[in-house]
Amino acid sequence: NAGVTQTPKFQVLKTGQSMTLQCAQDMNHEYMSWYRQDPGMGLRLIHYSVGAGITDQGEVPNGYNVSRSTTEDFPLRLLSAAPSQTSVYFCASSRQGSPNYGYTFGSGTRLTVV
Amino acid sequence: DQQVKQNSPSLSVQEGRISILNCDYTNSMFDYFLWYKKYPAEGPTFLISISSIKDKNEDGRFTVFLNKSAKHLSLHIVPSQPGDSAVYFCAASEGGGATNKLIFGTGTLLAVQP
Repeated sequence: NAGVTQTPKFQVLKTGQSMTLQCAQDMNHEYMSWYRQDPGMGLRLIHYSVGAGITDQGEVPNGYNVSRSTTEDFPLRLLSAAPSQTSVYFCASSRQGSPNYGYTFGSGTRLTVV
Repeated sequence: DQQVKQNSPSLSVQEGRISILNCDYTNSMFDYFLWYKKYPAEGPTFLISISSIKDKNEDGRFTVFLNKSAKHLSLHIVPSQPGDSAVYFCAASEGGGATNKLIFGTGTLLAVQP
């Protein structure tokens, strides 16, 4: 049972480059989300999706795009990377409408923008 | 504006003693609260939760207390073990509705000394 799989684990980008962080889950969870973790800031919600074809913005959406074409996948796109996007990114999934289950998180992608 | 706050960035406790981690929130619409534990280079893992209809929830060595009037919750770990050393995040959501958005605190690093 893979759970939530994030790729890559590490990435270095130059300012202005674009890239996609991949996230896939095999638990048939409706809800998926992206968080970034920064020192002293905790985990902040970037974008989330309540099902295929439905996405919405979180607390810090600027500079990021998402799409949800399938239940399993929820990629996060950086169109033009900036040093302020240096962070650790976590993807999470859960059953919709039931916080009892909590979220299942991936192991993270550490991104450095130089 | 930080809706969920963990004012202690770190806590050190002796093995066998009680660890108490605190969390405050400002949004009175939050009615579901969770604690997550995070080891280095791993994603957060769900630990324990509580809904606003309760003031206490226990799971083995872990107990979460909720004081709605004070907008405060705490996590008690008894007895503390070296394997409990990790970053602990509290999180809150508005009900179990469609969005399931979780707002996280900044985290507390717990160190349990042998």
